[in-house]
Amino acid sequence: DTEVTQTPKHLVMGMTNKKSLKCEQHMGHRAMYWYKQKAKKPPELMFVYSYEKLSINESVPSRFSPECPNSSLLNLHLHALQPEDSALYLCASSQETGGAGELFFGEGSRLTVL
Amino acid sequence: AQSVTQLGSHVSVSEGALVLLRCNYSSSVPPYLFWYVQYPNQGLQLLLKYTSAATLVKGINGFEAEFKKSETSFHLTKPSAHMSDAAEYFCAVSRGSGTYKYIFGTGTRLKVLA
Repeated sequence: DTEVTQTPKHLVMGMTNKKSLKCEQHMGHRAMYWYKQKAKKPPELMFVYSYEKLSINESVPSRFSPECPNSSLLNLHLHALQPEDSALYLCASSQETGGAGELFFGEGSRLTVL
Repeated sequence: AQSVTQLGSHVSVSEGALVLLRCNYSSSVPPYLFWYVQYPNQGLQLLLKYTSAATLVKGINGFEAEFKKSETSFHLTKPSAHMSDAAEYFCAVSRGSGTYKYIFGTGTRLKVLA
């Protein structure tokens, strides 16, 4: 199984809502990532978890809250978002060696904030 | 600091023609280099990677890339373009094991003309 599965594929939320994005992988990878991608732009790193511990936070606003309940799951909790947060949110995983290996991406969750 | 430059945000080729997508990098350490492809409304998929083994790297879908240290380049080529190759292509660099930051280029949109 070489898949990273993200749910939901599409999400529309108001600025006062609370929602979550979910990501799952069963490749035994111990590093998991959240990226944000705006249209016609490269992915931007948000968070990295290594061995279920937050390793990197790229100064992301606190309205985005990551969680790694176990080695296979990664969540991104969303609260009080702004319209400019509308984007494709990509989850990825890699072996624990990090940059020495490739990232495996999910298909993304398309978020629209009204 | 590492960086990646992709020359040409848009490239058009005729079906059956050579595909050449350019990527130049800067890195103070031996880099790990990657090419990813992204189809509309999907995540990124690895095409190929260079990790200090052979300088000519073969990937999926008939793509290959050559690592040229003297030119700090890792250009992506395919001898004969197919309509299904139309997509966004990203070059990425990392510093290797133990790092979790992949620097992505700005992307090149490949259009294949019938």
